[in-house]
Amino acid sequence: NAGVTQTPKFQVLKTGQSMTLQCAQDMNHEYMSWYRQDPGMGLRLIHYSVGAGITDQGEVPNGYNVSRSTTEDFPLRLLSAAPSQTSVYFCASSTSWGAGEKLFFGSGTQLSVL
Amino acid sequence: DAKTTQPPSMDCAEGRAANLPCNHSTISGNEYVYWYRQIHSQGPQYIIHGLKNNETNEMASLIITEDRKSSTLILPHATLRDTAVYYCIVILGGDDMRFGAGTRLTVKP
Repeated sequence: NAGVTQTPKFQVLKTGQSMTLQCAQDMNHEYMSWYRQDPGMGLRLIHYSVGAGITDQGEVPNGYNVSRSTTEDFPLRLLSAAPSQTSVYFCASSTSWGAGEKLFFGSGTQLSVL
Repeated sequence: DAKTTQPPSMDCAEGRAANLPCNHSTISGNEYVYWYRQIHSQGPQYIIHGLKNNETNEMASLIITEDRKSSTLILPHATLRDTAVYYCIVILGGDDMRFGAGTRLTVKP
């Protein structure tokens, strides 16, 4: 049981390049989400999904796309990377989107956009 | 809108109890209080949560005041490995979980 797995751990992009951050969980969790964390700050929600085929925007969705074709996977896509997207990205999942649930986090992807 | 207020930093001596406060004066009747921590640059780790009653698990205790406007996370015997940023979050079931700046706890030998 691996929990929440994020790949890659580190990535360097040039401005304008595209890439996909992968997130997979093996706990059969319905709820998955993406956060970004900038230096000295807390986590900010980018996008989330309450089940396969359902996604919604969080606090800072601009510049990011998501899809949820399976329960296990929730990739985050940067279509045209910008230096402002330099950050550490965390994926999280929980059993469901409701009261009393706890989030399980991945180990993060550190992204630098030059 | 910040739903919680936490001190930016605290120190604690190793082996002593660490008491981390959190104010949530605008909490509504159905909102839960959650605590997470983040050690260095790892992903946040769930600690404990509660609604009205005090809660205890293998990691910590959560004390919620009777009016629910504040709470305290207690690490009974802090170790150096408890040095981390601790986040207090108030959330209604079905809402997005949003993290603030948290409290940076430093456990000193």
